[in-house]
Amino acid sequence: DVKVTQSSRYLVKRTGEKVFLECVQDMDHENMFWYRQDPGLGLRLIYFSYDVKMKEKGDIPEGYSVSREKKERFSLILESASTNQTSMYLCASRLRLAGNEQFFGPGTRLTVL
Amino acid sequence: AQSVAQPEDQVNVAEGNPLTVKCTYSVSGNPYLFWYVQYPNRGLQFLLKYITGDNLVKGSYGFEAEFNKSQTSFHLKKPSALVSDSALYFCAVRDPIKAAGNKLTFGGGTRVLVKP
Repeated sequence: DVKVTQSSRYLVKRTGEKVFLECVQDMDHENMFWYRQDPGLGLRLIYFSYDVKMKEKGDIPEGYSVSREKKERFSLILESASTNQTSMYLCASRLRLAGNEQFFGPGTRLTVL
Repeated sequence: AQSVAQPEDQVNVAEGNPLTVKCTYSVSGNPYLFWYVQYPNRGLQFLLKYITGDNLVKGSYGFEAEFNKSQTSFHLKKPSALVSDSALYFCAVRDPIKAAGNKLTFGGGTRVLVKP
């Protein structure tokens, strides 16, 4: 089974802190994604990565950055956390072949005070 | 641009009755369509997908979905709902030609409540 893990299930940070969310997948998937999930808005794509050291902005990249130094790991960075970044963050990965579905981690619920 | 609409925020159904969760989409080309389910405090789990071929797609846990190109719909169905089907359901679409990076666009989600 594909396994996607995220470093924390729950995280509480203060405004202005730098926050790191880590995601690791164990199936050698090329593509990895970071979403945020907010009630009524579904999932919105923050950033994605085609492969190691490759990244592309999604729909809502402002206030975020990412890092993909190794194939299995994709990190989301909040440079200076703000209260409007309180949300559920979901990581996903997939094989590059067309039509393949994404596999999701359990999510990190981040609260910024 | 690709988009997905799930017109119902919540669907209530009695256990044993048929369940339908609606999804309509908009893409410029032929779509790839997906359904995911999210149980409380869990990540999303893949249910089924339509890429090409037969318009009726069967997936996990007894779910199926019908691709209707003329109505641009991909409704999720289950003939007999279980209480354990209570969850949040997401429809997603990808335009295989124009969507960069295998990007999926998700609907807002539909909460399903199955009552005993």
